[in-house]
Amino acid sequence: DAGVIQSPRHEVTEMGQEVTLRCKPISGHNSLFWYRQTMMRGLELLIYFNNNVPIDDSGMPEDRFSAKMPNASFSTLKIQPSEPRDSAVYFCASSVGQLDTGELFFGEGSRLTVL
Amino acid sequence: GENVEQHPSTLSVQEGDSAVIKCTYSDSASNYFPWYKQELGKRPQLIIDIRSNVGEKKDQRIAVTLNKTAKHFSLHITETQPEDSAVYFCAVTTSGSARQLTFGSGTQLTVLP
Repeated sequence: DAGVIQSPRHEVTEMGQEVTLRCKPISGHNSLFWYRQTMMRGLELLIYFNNNVPIDDSGMPEDRFSAKMPNASFSTLKIQPSEPRDSAVYFCASSVGQLDTGELFFGEGSRLTVL
Repeated sequence: GENVEQHPSTLSVQEGDSAVIKCTYSDSASNYFPWYKQELGKRPQLIIDIRSNVGEKKDQRIAVTLNKTAKHFSLHITETQPEDSAVYFCAVTTSGSARQLTFGSGTQLTVLP
């Protein structure tokens, strides 16, 4: 298996532009997570899907952020409009099921820079 | 919600020495405690985990100990090597129906040759 696949790996955009990050989880994994990593705040959980259904989006910073999972093999995280403070590495991760029974597999991350 | 504190934030050791990283948590219902290693510019990867029915687990040079009464757990790396240099994160599951990992703030370990 190729693991969790994220795109783009790097994105540089200007403030106010829309950003869409993409993720393909490992086949057979039914839980998908979006994390944001910054020096100041570490690894923060943004949203968690189970069987394509959003379970908890309390970590989503504000209405500018939205996430979808239209099917078991694809998820997007969208920021519209983007702001400089959104600059971070965004990780997608997947797991087989309940986290107390399995490992969390991270993608390589999408490094976002908003100018 | 769950609160996880990790110490120290940075740690430098000489090659061959041991390194210990500690985490405390607040939710007594937490039952799964993994440790992740993140090399510079790479993804976090699981290196070892422990569940609440076990007090200690070892895998070659790394070990994790858990004290549920005191609500803390530690990562131990023996005979450190330069390739152990990385950021290490502890994590804890929160209680409730949605299982989510809460990560510690990370420890930058540097192994000096």
